[in-house]
Amino acid sequence: GQQVMQIPQYQHVQEGEDFTTYCNSSTTLSNIQWYKQRPGGHPVFLIQLVKSGEVKKQKRLTFQFGEAKKNSSLHITATQTTDVGTYFCAGLQGGKLIFGQGTELSVKP
Amino acid sequence: KAGVTQTPRYLIKTRGQQVTLSCSPISGHRSVSWYQQTPGQGLQFLFEYFSETQRNKGNFPGRFSGRQFSNSRSEMNVSTLELGDSALYLCASRRTDNYEQYFGPGTRLTVT
Repeated sequence: GQQVMQIPQYQHVQEGEDFTTYCNSSTTLSNIQWYKQRPGGHPVFLIQLVKSGEVKKQKRLTFQFGEAKKNSSLHITATQTTDVGTYFCAGLQGGKLIFGQGTELSVKP
Repeated sequence: KAGVTQTPRYLIKTRGQQVTLSCSPISGHRSVSWYQQTPGQGLQFLFEYFSETQRNKGNFPGRFSGRQFSNSRSEMNVSTLELGDSALYLCASRRTDNYEQYFGPGTRLTVT
């Protein structure tokens, strides 16, 4: 069936280190979205990528969409304790948004 | 603009019972989707409603059903509850010209 795989499942970093999470789909995606869920909270939309090879930046966050529109990545430069949470990618396939399993990021001050 | 609201926020039910959860979307959003979130399975898509019609459906048994009213408010119902139905149920709304989802705070359902 439709699957979106996300790795790693967990990532522990020291404050100031970089962090990257990767998302892969077995099929071509119409677009990919990224969400952040703080502990005890609900997912909050971060960004949407639509075009092949697209790169978008939000302050310390860099999002990429692969050329084949099957993979994506989120990179955080110089993590801060406020970056703690679970980051989900979600791929749009046939009108359905399929979420990856998420990467839980913890940041040690 | 008020966000997505869900009621109740917490619920404890017994196996075999049924439950109805409610979601009010952001004003002007006509699409409402429901998701089940568990530690083991992540965020699983249940169904999406638009203009009172189910548009898409995930891979859940028929015990899970939903509906949408003319004011775009939505309800989901789970009948004959099982222990495995314990989860956070999230509702999300969106505009019809964009797939960006706005999530509510969720309903935490515990089945004992």
